[in-house]
Amino acid sequence: GEEVAQTPKHLVRGEGQKAKLYCAPIKGHSYVFWYQQVLKNEFKFLISFQNENVFDETGMPKERFSAKCLPNSPCSLEIQATKLEDSAVYFCASSQVTTYNEQFFGPGTRLTVL
Amino acid sequence: KNQVEQSPQSLIILEGKNCTLQCNYTVSPFSNLRWYKQDTGRGPVSLTIMTFSENTKSNGRYTATLDADTKQSSLHITASQLSDSASYICVVSDGQTGANNLFFGTGTRLTVIP
Repeated sequence: GEEVAQTPKHLVRGEGQKAKLYCAPIKGHSYVFWYQQVLKNEFKFLISFQNENVFDETGMPKERFSAKCLPNSPCSLEIQATKLEDSAVYFCASSQVTTYNEQFFGPGTRLTVL
Repeated sequence: KNQVEQSPQSLIILEGKNCTLQCNYTVSPFSNLRWYKQDTGRGPVSLTIMTFSENTKSNGRYTATLDADTKQSSLHITASQLSDSASYICVVSDGQTGANNLFFGTGTRLTVIP
């Protein structure tokens, strides 16, 4: 597709439950990025993929967060045993290698942990 | 430390008026600077991208400037419209392909009133 698609739009989980978010990058883009946006609009980098391979995971909390980008499937970000502080909007972005390496963002998934 | 600072944090202007948003950065190495518009509940959308050698770029009523020597950028909005109400985020890239290469400002929240 011509836009990054993310599902679901909203997700509500009780503390301790699992949350799984999905992202379909723009067709032909080889890089996928996940960001967490919390209060004050701060964007926190989580992880990036080059095709199905993890490229940079320096922002991923080690214990409860995992992500995958498998061939012919949407990419996913999974949070095991959610905590209150995981409440945020999670954005996926994709890019191809160009002069600017511009990232195109999806509409985001708002996760609320109660 | 790589940082991007924006001012003001928020701004209210009358429809039809002009405004200028500021961005200072300390990102090194520097590859390019982007201004994004983020509507409430949506993902960021790119307005302009400038490299080291570009000191001004326009996109309709939006004009961005870049002074790479002083590490400052501005976004000027001409003849504001109600639809300009959004957060405007300055993002600086250090050019690394696929990695955590974007440094985000915390944005300026613009409200245009009739």
